[in-house]
Amino acid sequence: GQNIDQPTEMTATEGAIVQINCTYQTSGFNGLFWYQQHAGEAPTFLSYNVLDGLEEKGRFSSFLSRSKGYSYLLLKELQMKDSASYLCASMDSNYQLIWGAGTKLIIKP
Amino acid sequence: ETGVTQTPRHLVMGMTNKKSLKCEQHLGHNAMYWYKQSAKKPLELMFVYSLEERVENNSVPSRFSPECPNSSHLFLHLHTLQPEDSALYLCASSDRDRGEVSPLHFGNGTRLTVT
Repeated sequence: GQNIDQPTEMTATEGAIVQINCTYQTSGFNGLFWYQQHAGEAPTFLSYNVLDGLEEKGRFSSFLSRSKGYSYLLLKELQMKDSASYLCASMDSNYQLIWGAGTKLIIKP
Repeated sequence: ETGVTQTPRHLVMGMTNKKSLKCEQHLGHNAMYWYKQSAKKPLELMFVYSLEERVENNSVPSRFSPECPNSSHLFLHLHTLQPEDSALYLCASSDRDRGEVSPLHFGNGTRLTVT
């Protein structure tokens, strides 16, 4: 079956770095997405990886290892506004998105 | 107005009511989606419309009925719902072409409570 695993909740301190992991098992693979969702708001697109390696976008970076079925989202210089849920989704061979349940990130001062 | 807008933001309905959720996208996309989001569960894809034709219907109960009159508007008609249907209903749009990957753009959702 198809499956996405990510931690349910993480806590980090303002100004620090946090890494949110995601492992996936899908029928075929057409890339890995990360979305951010603040409480009561729309999920917003953060990153897309289809090749192995690290993609950096300002304070946020996303990494992919296709051979390991593994990705992570790295958030640097954490700010209080980064408190949100982070959703991992893998796109299978039919271009269908398989979603994880999301990781709730709590930032403490 | 830009992006994807959904109305209403909140809806409380009894099990015998009929109501509709509305979604409008201003991004020029050719595909629209309905998702159900329940607490601590992955997003569940309900329906996909591509070029106004329904291309996906993931075993959704018939008490949910989608309608896509044009590429910018999407409705979800609700009738005789059950309490377990209480959830956040998200609309999304994208450019959907076979062989190309395009991220989804979501609306803020409708928080539905069935009493």
